[in-house]
Amino acid sequence: DTAVSQTPKYLVTQMGNDKSIKCEQNLGHDTMYWYKQDSKKFLKIMFSYNNKELIINETVPNRFSPKSPDKAHLNLHINSLELGDSAVYFCASRKIAGETGELFFGEGSRLTVL
Amino acid sequence: SQQGEEDPQALSIQEGENATMNCSYKTSINNLQWYRQNSGRGLVHLILIRSNEREKHSGRLRVTLDTSKKSSSLLITASRAADTASYFCATVTTDSWGKLQFGAGTQVVVTP
Repeated sequence: DTAVSQTPKYLVTQMGNDKSIKCEQNLGHDTMYWYKQDSKKFLKIMFSYNNKELIINETVPNRFSPKSPDKAHLNLHINSLELGDSAVYFCASRKIAGETGELFFGEGSRLTVL
Repeated sequence: SQQGEEDPQALSIQEGENATMNCSYKTSINNLQWYRQNSGRGLVHLILIRSNEREKHSGRLRVTLDTSKKSSSLLITASRAADTASYFCATVTTDSWGKLQFGAGTQVVVTP
């Protein structure tokens, strides 16, 4: 069983469209994250949720809206897609919020905006 | 802002050789972690070293931490072709809700 799973793995879309990426973890963790990895492989944190509550928001454009229906799911919705949104988006989880241990990552969702 | 910076950006070695990569960071940390990313895959945690530790081992991995220089190194001994991947350091600072901040990584290629 995959611990942190993301769908879709690949997403190709036109500028201006709206798209969503879904993430689910079956580890029983309380905290989930979204990271963005750019073309130079630099990883930047976007959001973190603890048990459905937003705890980290890293100055991300408000076109990006995370939604956590329950603590096992964290989805990322992006409105009005721009070329610069092209990247690989990673979902991750950690057992407890504010804990300092390891993160468990999904396999990534590669978004290409044309 | 970027907290960790890896050096070198890329490393090419032959099987059996050791691979060393370094990470420098800017602010005080709670711990520093190393992750591996195979091409097209997610990141996998390798090892965590706390700010009060100086060295840690895990299998063929050896990590050192020098908090006075704000730097860490990852040594992979007796490398294998399967070690080909990108390696990232990530820091957790003390007041950040456990937020992990990553560097840009070192791309390691191990040729048979």
